[in-house]
Formats: sequence, C-alpha cells, structure tokens
Amino acid sequence: GQSLEQPSEVTAVEGAIVQINCTYQTSGFYGLSWYQQHDGGAPTFLSYNALDGLEETGRFSSFLSRSDSYGYLLLQELQMKDSASYFCAVRGTMDSSYKLIFGSGTRLLVRP
Amino acid sequence: DVKVTQSSRYLVKRTGEKVFLECVQDMDHENMFWYRQDPGLGLRLIYFSYDVKMKEKGDIPEGYSVSREKKERFSLILESASTNQTSMYLCASVPGQETDTQYFGPGTRLTVL
Repeated sequence: GQSLEQPSEVTAVEGAIVQINCTYQTSGFYGLSWYQQHDGGAPTFLSYNALDGLEETGRFSSFLSRSDSYGYLLLQELQMKDSASYFCAVRGTMDSSYKLIFGSGTRLLVRP
Repeated sequence: DVKVTQSSRYLVKRTGEKVFLECVQDMDHENMFWYRQDPGLGLRLIYFSYDVKMKEKGDIPEGYSVSREKKERFSLILESASTNQTSMYLCASVPGQETDTQYFGPGTRLTVL
C-alpha cells in the first residue's frame, strides 16, 4: 500500500525551531509537498521538493532525502500564528491527474 | 489570486436525502478534486476530474458520484446520505502545466442526521 507517516502532534515554544518529519512508502515518487491548515480553514501550499536537499522560503524550510524516503518541514522563529496542522503530500505518478497522497497531518501547538 | 469557492460552509441533511456539493474555480484549471477530511485520517480522495465530463475514482468513492459539465465547476453528489458521510468536504483544483500545487476551497462541513 501507499502511506505517509508523520507525528500526530508537536508542541513548541514561541521563538523556537521545530521540525516535522514525514516518511513515505509509495509505488512512485515525483515530489514532496507541504501544506498548512489552520483550524476551520482550507489547506494552503507551503513548499515543494522534487530533488534531494533543502528548500528555503522565509522562516520555513523543507528537506528531502529520496534515498531515505524521508522529508521534513523546518519552522524557525516560531510565532503563535504558526499553530496549525501541517500535511505532507507525495505525488506518486507523473500522469496528467496531478493526484497527491496526503499524510494524516501533524498538529503544531505553539505556546507563549 | 486563485479562487476556489464551495457552495456552502455548513450543511445539515437527513439520512437518505440526496446532497449536492458544488465547487467552482475561476482560474481555468483542468484538474479538480474532492476530498473528505476526518480527524486523524488526513485528506482522503473521493473523486477527481482532469477534464470536462471526465472523472476518475479516488480512494473512497463508494456512496458518492461527481459531475463536471463545465470546466470551472465540479459537483459532488451523495445519492443517499448516510450518517457515516458526516465530514468536512474539501474541493481543490490544480493548474497543471508542471505544477502539482493544489488550491483548496474553504470546505463544507456536512452533518447527516
């Protein structure tokens, strides 16, 4: 089967750094994405990795190791507004469907 | 900015009713998706469409059908609603053309009594 594993919950302090891990088992792999979802809101795209290495976008960075089937999202200088759920998602095929397989999400709670 | 809208934010229906959830995107995207989101289960794909009148089953299509008569509109239909279909329903669209970024609508929280 195809699956993505990520921790269900992470707690961190405002101003700290937090890393949310994602391991995947999929029959194909063409990229790992991260989405953020605030309570009551829609998921919004954060970052994408197709190749090994680190992608940085402001306070957020995402890392991918294809050989380890592993990636992570790094959030720096945490702010209260970063409290949300974070989903990793894999594109498993290069067909025209653009289907993604989503993990079950990590709920991040940022404390003062 | 891409805009994906859904017909209702909250909906309450009775068991056995036929339910229509509508999704509209204004950016001429070819690919559209319907997910349901339940606590601890993430987003599960119900159906998707890559063109007008084209549809494909996702991972959990049972009890659902879809319609895509126009490019901008993708409808999810619950033929006979059941209590286990109480959930958050999210629609998304993808521009295609080398990006798989999905743009989500605000969601419809459906309660079936």
